[in-house]
Amino acid sequence: SQQGEEDPQALSIQEGENATMNCSYKTSINNLQWYRQNSGRGLVHLILIRSNEREKHSGRLRVTLDTSKKSSSLLITASRAADTASYFCATDEGGSYIPTFGRGTSLIVHP
Amino acid sequence: DTAVSQTPKYLVTQMGNDKSIKCEQNLGHDTMYWYKQDSKKFLKIMFSYNNKELIINETVPNRFSPKSPDKAHLNLHINSLELGDSAVYFCASSPNQVTGGYTFGSGTRLTVV
Repeated sequence: SQQGEEDPQALSIQEGENATMNCSYKTSINNLQWYRQNSGRGLVHLILIRSNEREKHSGRLRVTLDTSKKSSSLLITASRAADTASYFCATDEGGSYIPTFGRGTSLIVHP
Repeated sequence: DTAVSQTPKYLVTQMGNDKSIKCEQNLGHDTMYWYKQDSKKFLKIMFSYNNKELIINETVPNRFSPKSPDKAHLNLHINSLELGDSAVYFCASSPNQVTGGYTFGSGTRLTVV
C-alpha cells in the first residue's frame, strides 16, 4: 500500500524562488527520506530525518517533520534550473524499515 | 566506479520471452532491493534481500524470481513476459535493513511488445 503522498503533484517556479513540497503519510514511522530523480535517471538520496527530529538542513535544502500531523516538507531555497527534477518522499510503514515511496512532485525551475 | 550498476539499461523483448536484469553494488552494503516504477512514476518495492537472504517479497507474480549469489549482487529473472511488465526497474542498496539512505542504480527500462 502507498504510504507517502507528495503535494503538489507539479510545481513550476522561476530561478531564484523557493520551492516547497509536502509529504503526508498515514502510519507511524521510524524515518522519512527525500529523494530526487532527474529525468531518465535513478533516485538520489537527499536527506533522511528520523521520527525524533523536527528539522534538518543540507545546503539549500531544509526538511521539517511534524509527526503529530504526519507530514513533512522539503524546502529548496534560491532554486536553480538544475533543481528541475521529481522529488519523492519515502517512509517506512509502521516502523517496518521498508521504504515506501509516493508518486513524487515534479518541479520545473525556469531559468 | 559506479556504486550500484544494473544491466542492461534498455531491454526490448516480445511477450512470452524470459529475460534477466543484473545488479551489482560495490558499497559493501548488506541489503539490496528491486523496485518497479510505472509510467506514472509510482515506485513500488518488489523484493529485498539482506546478506543473500530474502526478507521482503511483495505481491509480485511468481514469474519474477530474484537471485542473490552474494550480498553484492541481486539479479532479477522474469519468465513469460507480459505487456504489463513494461516499466523501469530500479535496483537499490542500503547499509542494512534499518539504516536509510538508499543508493539507486540508474534503472532498466523494460519494454514488452
